[in-house]
Amino acid sequence: NAGVTQTPKFQVLKTGQSMTLQCAQDMNHNSMYWYRQDPGMGLRLIYYSASEGTTDKGEVPNGYNVSRLNKREFSLRLESAAPSQTSVYFCASSEGLVSAYNEQFFGPGTRLTVL
Amino acid sequence: KQEVTQIPAALSVPEGENLVLNCSFTDSAIYNLQWFRQDPGKGLTSLLLIQSSQREQTSGRLNASLDKSSGRSTLYIAASQPGDSATYLCAVRGASKIIFGSGTRLSIRP
Repeated sequence: NAGVTQTPKFQVLKTGQSMTLQCAQDMNHNSMYWYRQDPGMGLRLIYYSASEGTTDKGEVPNGYNVSRLNKREFSLRLESAAPSQTSVYFCASSEGLVSAYNEQFFGPGTRLTVL
Repeated sequence: KQEVTQIPAALSVPEGENLVLNCSFTDSAIYNLQWFRQDPGKGLTSLLLIQSSQREQTSGRLNASLDKSSGRSTLYIAASQPGDSATYLCAVRGASKIIFGSGTRLSIRP
């Protein structure tokens, strides 16, 4: 039982390059999330997927796209990377979206640097 | 708009002390509040989840309380150890959003 896994762990891009961050969970959770963490800003929600087949914008969606490939996998794509997207990206999952019982579980993160 | 604040941003105490970390939020219409621990360069580890109908939750040396009416939660750590050194974050789940505080960086001195 690996929980939430993310690939890659580290990535360096040049401005304008594209890449996809992968996330998978093996807890049979319905909801999945992508966050970015920046110094002094805390974690901010980029996109989330309440259930398979649905995705919604979070607090900072500009410059990103997501795909909920199936119940297990939720990917984040940067189409044209910018230095402002240098950050640590975390994927998380929970059993559901709106419930007092829903506990979030996090992956180990991807450290992305855009030059 | 929900805002979550954690004060202080950093805290250093000698080993063995009992300590309290604070989390405040502006909108009391929440589903739950979750406390996390984050070690440097690592992901977030869930410590405790308090549902909106609950007043407190306990796990080992950790006790978290929730007072929705005043918009406050506290994380109490008993008999602190150097291994407790980490950043502690709280997150509030509302109807459509999960908002995180910026965290308290805790250092336990041997």
